[in-house]
Amino acid sequence: ELKVEQNPLFLSMQEGKNYTIYCNYSTTSDRLYWYRQDPGKSLESLFVLLSNGAVKQEGRLMASLDTKARLSTLHITAAVHDLSATYFCAVDGYGNKLVFGAGTILRVKS
Amino acid sequence: DTAVSQTPKYLVTQMGNDKSIKCEQNLGHDTMYWYKQDSKKFLKIMFSYNNKELIINETVPNRFSPKSPDKAHLNLHINSLELGDSAVYFCASSLTGAGETQYFGPGTRLLVL
Repeated sequence: ELKVEQNPLFLSMQEGKNYTIYCNYSTTSDRLYWYRQDPGKSLESLFVLLSNGAVKQEGRLMASLDTKARLSTLHITAAVHDLSATYFCAVDGYGNKLVFGAGTILRVKS
Repeated sequence: DTAVSQTPKYLVTQMGNDKSIKCEQNLGHDTMYWYKQDSKKFLKIMFSYNNKELIINETVPNRFSPKSPDKAHLNLHINSLELGDSAVYFCASSLTGAGETQYFGPGTRLLVL
């Protein structure tokens, strides 16, 4: 059974600092997704990573995928308050059945 | 234009009642999904339909019954509601299947009293 673990589960960081959120998964997959959820809102797609070594960047966020290590990272550069949200990774086990991590609550303090 | 819409947005009901949640997507996608997000924000897939055919049916009580009248609509009917059914239910859709981004609706916040 596919399991997805994120860490940390809670991250409080200062504006301007860098940090990385990690997403490990237990079985082979080469499709991984990152989503953002603001409080009381829906999930917004951030990145789709479809192959080993895939790297995608949007603004201050950069995601990468290492399928051999079964690891994805979401790197935050020079954090700003607007990045405060919950970030989920999700792995496609089979048949587009996404298994989500528990989410990382990010709070950026000014 | 709302891509994936759900009704109602909020649903407060008593234990034992039956309720339905409706979902519609105007993206022309073939595949639709229902997810449940519990109070700890954990998201779990419940069902998936591809072009009106059920393709994912997770371990969900049979009080939950999805119905897809056409590929743009996926409804969720819940019988005999229980306290533990309180959660946010998200509908999502994707163009086809594997490797495609799933687009989520706004969610239906269900509270069972």
